[in-house]
Amino acid sequence: GAGVSQSPSNKVTEKGKDVELRCDPISGHTALYWYRQSLGQGLEFLIYFQGNSAPDKSGLPSDRFSAERTGGSVSTLTIQRTQQEDSAVYLCASSLRASGVANTGELFFGEGSRLTVL
Amino acid sequence: AQKVTQAQTEISVVEKEDVTLDCVYETRDTTYYLFWYKQPPSGELVFLIRRNSFDEQNEISGRYSWNFQKSTSSFNFTITASQVVDSAVYFCALSEAGTGFQKLVFGTGTRLLVSP
Repeated sequence: GAGVSQSPSNKVTEKGKDVELRCDPISGHTALYWYRQSLGQGLEFLIYFQGNSAPDKSGLPSDRFSAERTGGSVSTLTIQRTQQEDSAVYLCASSLRASGVANTGELFFGEGSRLTVL
Repeated sequence: AQKVTQAQTEISVVEKEDVTLDCVYETRDTTYYLFWYKQPPSGELVFLIRRNSFDEQNEISGRYSWNFQKSTSSFNFTITASQVVDSAVYFCALSEAGTGFQKLVFGTGTRLLVSP
């Protein structure tokens, strides 16, 4: 597709279950970002990838959260043993490159995956 | 530590009114970027503008204008002659040289409601 695609768009799970959220970036975009949007915390940075490596994963809230990216394309965010406080919208974004000053800062965001943990 | 404050939680205006969304930031870096993003009801964030810390020129794009003032650490956004389609949540954000400009720190957003 033309934009960033995320799936599922909605996920309801029970506390303690594992979930996987998927992101398909725009073709050719080498940088990929995960953010979380929740009522209490606003928009928070989680992790970013340049190619398949993650130079900055400082925003991951706990070791229950992990992410990977394969083939410089699709990324999966995994949350293990979900807790109610994990309920949020998980936003993925991509950009042409993550080269600091040369990056226009224009991140292209997907519509997010809404996670509800019961 | 970096911080972005959008004190206005929600603003309601009537179509054709002008409206200004405030943004105040904190950073210890001398090199940084400021952004505005729009989040319509569909949920995806849409990039509006980026300014770097060395360029205090105001920017105008159609009905949108931005006023960057380092002296007050503010980067305010004005919509002239607002339209119903402008209804959305608007986020101001900051990225710093210290984090390689990769991490955006967002404000809490301002919800703008434009009624006909």
